[in-house]
Amino acid sequence: EVQLLESGGGLVQPGGSLRLSCAASGFTLSSYALSWVRQAPGKGLERVSGVSSSGGTTFYADSVKGRFTISRDNFKNILYLQMDSLRAEDTAVYYCAKRTSERAFDIWGQGTMVTVSS
Amino acid sequence: EIVLTQSPGNLSLSPGERATLSCRASQSVSSSYLAWYQQKPGQAPRLLIYGASSRATGIPDRFSGSGSGTDFTLTISRLEPEDFAVYYCQQYGGSLYTFGQGTKLEIK
Repeated sequence: EVQLLESGGGLVQPGGSLRLSCAASGFTLSSYALSWVRQAPGKGLERVSGVSSSGGTTFYADSVKGRFTISRDNFKNILYLQMDSLRAEDTAVYYCAKRTSERAFDIWGQGTMVTVSS
Repeated sequence: EIVLTQSPGNLSLSPGERATLSCRASQSVSSSYLAWYQQKPGQAPRLLIYGASSRATGIPDRFSGSGSGTDFTLTISRLEPEDFAVYYCQQYGGSLYTFGQGTKLEIK
């Protein structure tokens, strides 16, 4: 079965750090562009970061630029999101998602909750 | 950045009825890069439609997408109980991906 599984979420104080992981099974991660999409409680979807299949091109939303770093280990079949200098407004469920050639997201993980609070 | 505005924000219908959801873009969107998702409480979004009108794998044919330019529509021909959820449109343009704010489809 093709699936993505996120881990690494939790409760962190403002200014703290977390690293999210997204493991793929049933397909080879290295063949696809991937993104992190977050959803604040009761809100809509926001793509916060993306990476090309090779890892050579990355994207960050203005809201996280300079604080989040996306990376991938194609040998381990894992995508990462390093989140530093966390703020209360970063509180959300974070999903990893696989992008299609039509620029849609066809495979999503189950999400991991990040809560930034003192 | 292209802004997507979905309407209505909330839609109350009964099973068996037809649902029409709208997604309007602030500037023209390539039809190749317009998608629709369904999200149920506590679940990840599920891709329904890509390329404005192509159904994703395993999506029932009661779901259809149409439109071009700045106006796109998701139609559910006959609502089933499992179709009541939140629906999002999403576009890619200018190297950016944006989502609409969602339409909540509720049981009447």
